Amino acid sequence: DTGVSQDPRHKITKRGQNVTFRCDPISEHNRLYWYRQTLGQGPEFLTYFQNEAQLEKSRLLSDRFSAERPKGSFSTLEIQRTEQGDSAMYLCASAVMDGYTFGSGTRLTVV
Amino acid sequence: AQSVTQLGSHVSVSEGALVLLRCNYSSSVPPYLFWYVQYPNQGLQLLLKYTSAATLVKGINGFEAEFKKSETSFHLTKPSAHMSDAAEYFCAVTTGSGNTGKLIFGQGTTLQVKP
Repeated sequence: DTGVSQDPRHKITKRGQNVTFRCDPISEHNRLYWYRQTLGQGPEFLTYFQNEAQLEKSRLLSDRFSAERPKGSFSTLEIQRTEQGDSAMYLCASAVMDGYTFGSGTRLTVV
Repeated sequence: AQSVTQLGSHVSVSEGALVLLRCNYSSSVPPYLFWYVQYPNQGLQLLLKYTSAATLVKGINGFEAEFKKSETSFHLTKPSAHMSDAAEYFCAVTTGSGNTGKLIFGQGTTLQVKP
């Protein structure tokens, strides 16, 4: 297993379009987290899953954002009707008892 | 509620000099604390973590941090800076659930290393 994989690495989209990101965690990790990082800031928590159950969502996660983790494996994060303020790095991390492993992130640019 | 404050958004040191990056935390429960490093357009790499064992924690690449409860601090140090240490550094605290709970990050400190 080579770690947490995120796809795509970069996404440029026009305002108003929908985008979907994918995260493939380390296979034995039952927790999966999504964070958002804007330029010059630390990552901010968006949501997390324990297996397939979404256990917590941040206030940052507006109605335009939705995340899924079918069958407790990979996860997707969808943003509908993107806005320029959604431009950020979206980081996925998976975790088990020993701690977190972060993916390299998906950088979203909304033009 | 837990929070983290990193003092100094930019730190500049000469190659070979001491690196000191400051982090203060606020937590209503005994905290788990972390330092992460981020290189441009990359994810976060764990440098070290404090999980209520030894207060002096040694990490990768020669970094270490000391947990000081009385000062609510977890400052990161390295005796001798290397050019490859230039990066963004984040201090973080978890909210419950051991060391895999939700992470609350500081604003980050950019470390510049001058030749």
